[in-house]
Amino acid sequence: EVSLVESGGGLVQPGGSLRLSCAASGFFFSNYWVAWVRQAPGEGLEWLANINQDGTTKYYVDSVKGRFTISRDNAKNSLSLLMDSLRGEDTAVYYCGRWGGGTWIDLWGQGTLVTVSS
Amino acid sequence: QSALTQPRSVSGSPGQSVTISCTGTSSDVGGYNYVSWYQQHPGKAPKPMIYDVNKRPSGVSDRFSGSKSGNTASLTISGLQTEDEADYYCCSRAPTSYVFGTGTKVTVL
Repeated sequence: EVSLVESGGGLVQPGGSLRLSCAASGFFFSNYWVAWVRQAPGEGLEWLANINQDGTTKYYVDSVKGRFTISRDNAKNSLSLLMDSLRGEDTAVYYCGRWGGGTWIDLWGQGTLVTVSS
Repeated sequence: QSALTQPRSVSGSPGQSVTISCTGTSSDVGGYNYVSWYQQHPGKAPKPMIYDVNKRPSGVSDRFSGSKSGNTASLTISGLQTEDEADYYCCSRAPTSYVFGTGTKVTVL
């Protein structure tokens, strides 16, 4: 079965760091661009970052540039998001996603909740 | 990287049609034929409904259709059913990023 499963969410203090992981299975992970998308409580979806098939090209939304780092390990079929200098406004459910054809997210994980609070 | 503009809510009776607009700029919606739409039920992950403006993924009902004119894309749901009640988000490619819409709640009366 084709799937993405996120992990690593939890409660973290403002200014702290957290690493999210996304395990891919059932498809050739290394063939796809992948992404992180988040959704704050009661709010809409926000695209955060993309990474290409071999990890050499990365794009970020301005609000997380310099604080978040997207990376991947194709040998482990795994995607990561390292989040530093966390703020209250980073509280959200974080989803990983696979770009089908590079133009749409055709596969989504179930999401992992990150809460930034003291 | 401003969010695309969608109406906050639309509603219709079972069997009717509703259309959701998604307005951007010439740098995103107007510049690419890469608009996708996602349905999200409460507490669930988004589900793709339309990609590349007007293509339907396998398994999505043909009651869902997409179109684009200039800087505005649209999603039409025909023959509205109770299970269509959900939040809907558009998404467009931009030069080095992607941007989602503000989201629209569809209510089936």
